[in-house]
Amino acid sequence: AQKVTQAQTEISVVEKEDVTLDCVYETRDTTYYLFWYKQPPSGELVFLIRRNSFDEQNEISGRYSWNFQKSTSSFNFTITASQVVDSAVYFCALSEAQSGSARQLTFGSGTQLTVLP
Amino acid sequence: DTGVSQDPRHKITKRGQNVTFRCDPISEHNRLYWYRQTLGQGPEFLTYFQNEAQLEKSRLLSDRFSAERPKGSFSTLEIQRTEQGDSAMYLCASSAQGTGGYEQYFGPGTRLTVT
Repeated sequence: AQKVTQAQTEISVVEKEDVTLDCVYETRDTTYYLFWYKQPPSGELVFLIRRNSFDEQNEISGRYSWNFQKSTSSFNFTITASQVVDSAVYFCALSEAQSGSARQLTFGSGTQLTVLP
Repeated sequence: DTGVSQDPRHKITKRGQNVTFRCDPISEHNRLYWYRQTLGQGPEFLTYFQNEAQLEKSRLLSDRFSAERPKGSFSTLEIQRTEQGDSAMYLCASSAQGTGGYEQYFGPGTRLTVT
């Protein structure tokens, strides 16, 4: 069975600090996808990134970067120079890719990030 | 292109009443998902449609829950004889079918409160 663990329930940082959100996953599949979503106070989940299990290249998008390591089953998310608008709950999610599957997302329990001015 | 929309955004009902929620996915997306999210938790999968066919249901979906997607466009989720434990945010998501990772785009959710 697939599982996603986000051990950090809450993180608080001061604006301009860098912050890393941890995600550890479990799956028996060799092909799978990993995602990060942001849920601001308004409540709507916003898609941030998708990574394939066969592509371990790290990715950078502006102030956001992601570190995917299959050896440790981790997919960590770093925000550089955090801003107050980054305050939200961040979810890591996993989707297995068997043929014909629903490819539903299994989410972690989320990390509440608070960026203080 | 508009995103996923859900209606109503909030619903307060008394225990034992039936409620129905609607989801309109992104127009070109043939995959539609329902999730439930309780306070402090990540969303949990409920059910999945590909076009009009309901292909997968979670064990979380008791027989009081039913979902439809009659013409492969919008979907409805009905809860009969609501219980206080049904209070949650009900999220709808859609995705396109292709060779990629099927990222799902979520609607704003319907927050259900059962009193």
